[in-house]
Amino acid sequence: GQQVMQIPQYQHVQEGEDFTTYCNSSTTLSNIQWYKQRPGGHPVFLIQLVKSGEVKKQKRLTFQFGEAKKNSSLHITATQTTDVGTYFCAGPGGGGSNYKLTFGKGTLLTVNP
Amino acid sequence: NAGVTQTPKFQVLKTGQSMTLQCAQDMNHNSMYWYRQDPGMGLRLIYYSASEGTTDKGEVPNGYNVSRLNKREFSLRLESAAPSQTSVYFCASSPRANQPQHFGDGTRLSIL
Repeated sequence: GQQVMQIPQYQHVQEGEDFTTYCNSSTTLSNIQWYKQRPGGHPVFLIQLVKSGEVKKQKRLTFQFGEAKKNSSLHITATQTTDVGTYFCAGPGGGGSNYKLTFGKGTLLTVNP
Repeated sequence: NAGVTQTPKFQVLKTGQSMTLQCAQDMNHNSMYWYRQDPGMGLRLIYYSASEGTTDKGEVPNGYNVSRLNKREFSLRLESAAPSQTSVYFCASSPRANQPQHFGDGTRLSIL
């Protein structure tokens, strides 16, 4: 079945350093979604990428969707303490159904001020 | 505009007790989902409802049942709670299947 894998599992950075998390799917995705979960909070939708090779920016965050639509990345420039949290990617499908999302296990980002 | 509302926020149960977690959304979404989140395991789908009147098993359905009561409400029932079901439970909804999901604040459930 479809698997969505994220690396790294954890990343600790000094404030001001850059951060990147990678997401890889075992199957081609129709779209990929990114979510952020603050400690003690709930996942919050950040962005959806649909097109092959698509790049989208949200302030210091840059999201990319691979040409083969099987991988994606999230890059944060000059991290801040407000970036702390777990970042999840998710793709449609898995378990024989296209009516649900399969989430990666997430990358936990901690930032040292 | 409340979004997705889950009740209760916290609950402690004894092994063997039953409990229903409630979820309601006010965004007129068609699809609703129940996840559990355990340390290091990410979000695992328990059950989902792609549209009103349908429910399907997710990745970890054993020990749970669901009811899509109407378009707004999707409840999760533990018939006989077990310590392995200690977790944080999230309900989510989306306009249609595979579209971005909106999550509730979660229910923190401990089973002793």
